[in-house]
Amino acid sequence: KNEVEQSPQNLTAQEGEFITINCSYSVGISALHWLQQHPGGGIVSLFMLSSGKKKHGRLIATINIQEKHSSLHITASHPRDSAVYICAALPNAGGTSYGKLTFGQGTILTVHP
Amino acid sequence: KAGVTQTPRYLIKTRGQQVTLSCSPISGHRSVSWYQQTPGQGLQFLFEYFSETQRNKGNFPGRFSGRQFSNSRSEMNVSTLELGDSALYLCASSFLAGGPQETQYFGPGTRLLVL
Repeated sequence: KNEVEQSPQNLTAQEGEFITINCSYSVGISALHWLQQHPGGGIVSLFMLSSGKKKHGRLIATINIQEKHSSLHITASHPRDSAVYICAALPNAGGTSYGKLTFGQGTILTVHP
Repeated sequence: KAGVTQTPRYLIKTRGQQVTLSCSPISGHRSVSWYQQTPGQGLQFLFEYFSETQRNKGNFPGRFSGRQFSNSRSEMNVSTLELGDSALYLCASSFLAGGPQETQYFGPGTRLLVL
């Protein structure tokens, strides 16, 4: 079993729909990242969370440390949101886990007009 | 500010050769991390450098090595290439110590094909 699991693996939506991508992890973490990867490979960091909730435009990320679960929500989805979304956990290793992210397998999101 | 740059963007090598990839972080960023992305294994952590010191290493064989220069630019080297080393190699930089409060900024990647 992977330390970081995402669901669903594939997600298809119609423009305007509300989208949720889930991420569960089995290790203690100091932070969780949500990343977006477009075709061609470039990765953009969307959020970094250690507790609570963050919002940026139509994107919302939440994390529940006790339940070891995080969600990424996209409101009013748009075709330009089509990408791979990846969650990545930074283990809680006494402050020495520099860069040592453990990644989920990614969720392929396709939003149709 | 210019983003993270990686060179070359594409590379074709044959088995047994070695390769060196370069990463220039965002100006002022001191931490550089390297990741490998393959269709089978997804993204995996290779190593992280800060102030010319490797602070963390992932579970990769010794054929994978790296270094960081005084200007924070970093290189990674893969010796004795194998077919399985074909991948997208990404580097990411962050400002301070690469601690949990820091966002990582990713480069566009170097796509390596080993024949």
